[in-house]
Amino acid sequence: AQRVTQPEKLLSVFKGAPVELKCNYSYSGSPELFWYVQYSRQRLQLLLRHISRESIKGFTADLNKGETSFHLKKPFAQEEDSAMYYCALSGMDSSYKLIFGSGTRLLVRP
Amino acid sequence: KAGVTQTPRYLIKTRGQQVTLSCSPISGHRSVSWYQQTPGQGLQFLFEYFSETQRNKGNFPGRFSGRQFSNSRSEMNVSTLELGDSALYLCASSLEGQTSYEQYFGPGTRLTVT
Repeated sequence: AQRVTQPEKLLSVFKGAPVELKCNYSYSGSPELFWYVQYSRQRLQLLLRHISRESIKGFTADLNKGETSFHLKKPFAQEEDSAMYYCALSGMDSSYKLIFGSGTRLLVRP
Repeated sequence: KAGVTQTPRYLIKTRGQQVTLSCSPISGHRSVSWYQQTPGQGLQFLFEYFSETQRNKGNFPGRFSGRQFSNSRSEMNVSTLELGDSALYLCASSLEGQTSYEQYFGPGTRLTVT
């Protein structure tokens, strides 16, 4: 079954602390993994994808196929990072179907 | 480029009625996907259209349908509304030909069924 699991509904950290948002997936094949972010009163937007292997706003995520994980990390959290984060996967077929996790709300306290 | 637009932004309907939501993708994007977002179920894929053809469908009853026009604009229709259909309906568009499946989301239409 295709599934994305984000075990934490809420993650609260202090400014400057490291952040790790967990994501595990289940997929029979080689999916593409994404992190989407939704800031308050803004639309859902792509943060990063595993294929590009880039760092966006200080966030990185490494695909671990052995552990079927795609955790999102940032060494020093900022207050503006407070948002809802969704991990998602897409199968490598001809369709643009995204399977989303339930999301983790990140709250960065001053 | 203008982003994905959805109309209307808010809608209140009564049980049993039907509703049509509209989505205009980013210019040049030919793929349009629809998602339902609820507090209980999260974000769930409804269907995806490409070049006026439904290419994939999620696990929703037949009351949920959609279509895409030649200009890539898309509509989704929900017939015989139920209270459980109250949700934020998101539309997303993608540019065919990319190696990765980045989707650009609209602001959503919030549907309330009373």
